[in-house]
Amino acid sequence: TQLLEQSPQFLSIQEGENLTVYCNSSSVFSSLQWYRQEPGEGPVLLVTVVTGGEVKKLKRLTFQFGDARKDSSLHITAAQPGDTGLYLCAGGTGANNLFFGTGTRLTVIP
Amino acid sequence: KAGVTQTPRYLIKTRGQQVTLSCSPISGHRSVSWYQQTPGQGLQFLFEYFSETQRNKGNFPGRFSGRQFSNSRSEMNVSTLELGDSALYLCASSLGTIRLETQYFGPGTRLLVL
Repeated sequence: TQLLEQSPQFLSIQEGENLTVYCNSSSVFSSLQWYRQEPGEGPVLLVTVVTGGEVKKLKRLTFQFGDARKDSSLHITAAQPGDTGLYLCAGGTGANNLFFGTGTRLTVIP
Repeated sequence: KAGVTQTPRYLIKTRGQQVTLSCSPISGHRSVSWYQQTPGQGLQFLFEYFSETQRNKGNFPGRFSGRQFSNSRSEMNVSTLELGDSALYLCASSLGTIRLETQYFGPGTRLLVL
């Protein structure tokens, strides 16, 4: 079983602060995806990274895939209340099934 | 374009019963994947169907089964329900024809087993 550990598990910050969420595994993945899930909804894809060392930026969100393709990080600058949600990383192995991380529940306080 | 729909949204069953959940993918999508989400285990892959055939399978007991119809709609069945089957069951659809394509998730069916 390919396990993806996320840290921290819970994060509560003030609006305007920066934060980083980590996703670590001992397994190598062909791709790494980040999702955000809000209560009562399914996860929504934020980004896919496929190359070791790759960095992708989406407005205030920066995603990085580790050189060895075993880990990833998500950095949010100037967090806003709308960023509140459950952040999930997911490793892809080439088939259409994903191995999801344990999740990071983020709360941004106005 | 309508998103992925799942029915029912909520379900209460008792131990030993069976349950069938339904998923209608986005129009044109031929792949449907099913996931189980629990607080303790997180999101775990159950299986994927593509063109009415099971293409991938996760590590779940045989009590969990599924099928896909010619219109790509999919059903998931759980027999002999156990308390530990209480979870949010999510389905996700995609075109299914290329690697790394985006999976679009439905809102899920929340199952409570008493």
